[in-house]
Amino acid sequence: KAGVTQTPRYLIKTRGQQVTLSCSPISGHRSVSWYQQTPGQGLQFLFEYFSETQRNKGNFPGRFSGRQFSNSRSEMNVSTLELGDSALYLCASSFGEGSTDTQYFGPGTRLTVL
Amino acid sequence: AQSVTQLGSHVSVSEGALVLLRCNYSSSVPPYLFWYVQYPNQGLQLLLKYTSAATLVKGINGFEAEFKKSETSFHLTKPSAHMSDAAEYFCAVSDLGNTDKLIFGTGTRLQVFP
Repeated sequence: KAGVTQTPRYLIKTRGQQVTLSCSPISGHRSVSWYQQTPGQGLQFLFEYFSETQRNKGNFPGRFSGRQFSNSRSEMNVSTLELGDSALYLCASSFGEGSTDTQYFGPGTRLTVL
Repeated sequence: AQSVTQLGSHVSVSEGALVLLRCNYSSSVPPYLFWYVQYPNQGLQLLLKYTSAATLVKGINGFEAEFKKSETSFHLTKPSAHMSDAAEYFCAVSDLGNTDKLIFGTGTRLQVFP
């Protein structure tokens, strides 16, 4: 069974631009979560989608948004990029059964904002 | 609010020595706890999880963790370190409610010396 895939793996943008990251979950998984990983703040939860609905959201500004499609694939978008948005963005998928469910992580997208 | 604290941002051991990575949790209800490992330029891989069954949890690659309610701890151990264990390790707790959200500790980087 294929794992979680994320595209692109690396991305370089400039301040003010916007970016879209993509995540394809493991087949059969209906939940996709996104996390931001930085050296200073560590791993922080962005949002979670289950069956095309946002089920939970972290403490990030409205510039960060996401969506999930009917095939469970998910995208996240960051508008008006800032230098501080440089990070590794990780996507995780699960069956969506809640707190005890195992989440499987993709390799991440490394975003660099210049 | 749920939280985890990882004591020691860096741990160094010799190959063959005991590995002990510390994690303490704070939770208002019985928690669900996880240990993940991250190798350079990769996503997170689940080592093991505790979901209120046996207090001693065995994971992959020879790792195990013991849930101790009296100490609010969930320390990760491995009897004999291998060079390939060098990585960053994250302890995490599930958030409350019907959500996949994980709250991560700050991570511990394990170095293994020959």
